[in-house]
Amino acid sequence: GAGVSQSPSNKVTEKGKDVELRCDPISGHTALYWYRQRLGQGLEFLIYFQGNSAPDKSGLPSDRFSAERTGESVSTLTIQRTQQEDSAVYLCASSQLTSTDTQYFGPGTRLTVL
Amino acid sequence: EDQVTQSPEALRLQEGESSSLNCSYTVSGLRGLFWYRQDPGKGPEFLFTLYSAGEEKEKERLKATLTKKESFLHITAPKPEDSATYLCAASLLTGGGNKLTFGTGTQLKVEL
Repeated sequence: GAGVSQSPSNKVTEKGKDVELRCDPISGHTALYWYRQRLGQGLEFLIYFQGNSAPDKSGLPSDRFSAERTGESVSTLTIQRTQQEDSAVYLCASSQLTSTDTQYFGPGTRLTVL
Repeated sequence: EDQVTQSPEALRLQEGESSSLNCSYTVSGLRGLFWYRQDPGKGPEFLFTLYSAGEEKEKERLKATLTKKESFLHITAPKPEDSATYLCAASLLTGGGNKLTFGTGTQLKVEL
């Protein structure tokens, strides 16, 4: 079946511009997670959704970062006024439930801020 | 502070040369320990989940084990197609959801 998909696969933007990253989870998966992977570093948790609610936003690095999920499906991660330190691969994962269910990852969006 | 540390950072093996990757964790309460494989330019691919000390899981040439402080990923008679970065991650008992705390990975290269 279809896995997690993300778009765009690559995004190059200028410092100060806003960007939107999209994630389409596996159909029927109620939990959705966003992570960030900076060069040479481990994946960092950003935010998780249960349905359309976000009970844990503790990983969002600043108020320039926000995310939403609609229809218990698609999620969008928005970064406003991008900075060079935002350059990273942004990964989305989904799981059927939340407890110990396996998270399945998408291919990521590589964001480069010039 | 909850922490996951992987070693070595990089490992080069000859085809058929078995070895082990280490993942040590210092967390307040472990719900599960996950192993993923990541190929360049791709998202992590799930391999195993371990929940309690003494548990072992196997898949082809890979075997994962768990103790109270660390996990090992044993690779038996590796092939070049096993070359990838192997990530381990801890899921904690505290907090909602299943957010994962990742190590920085071991980059494995298997040569002919």
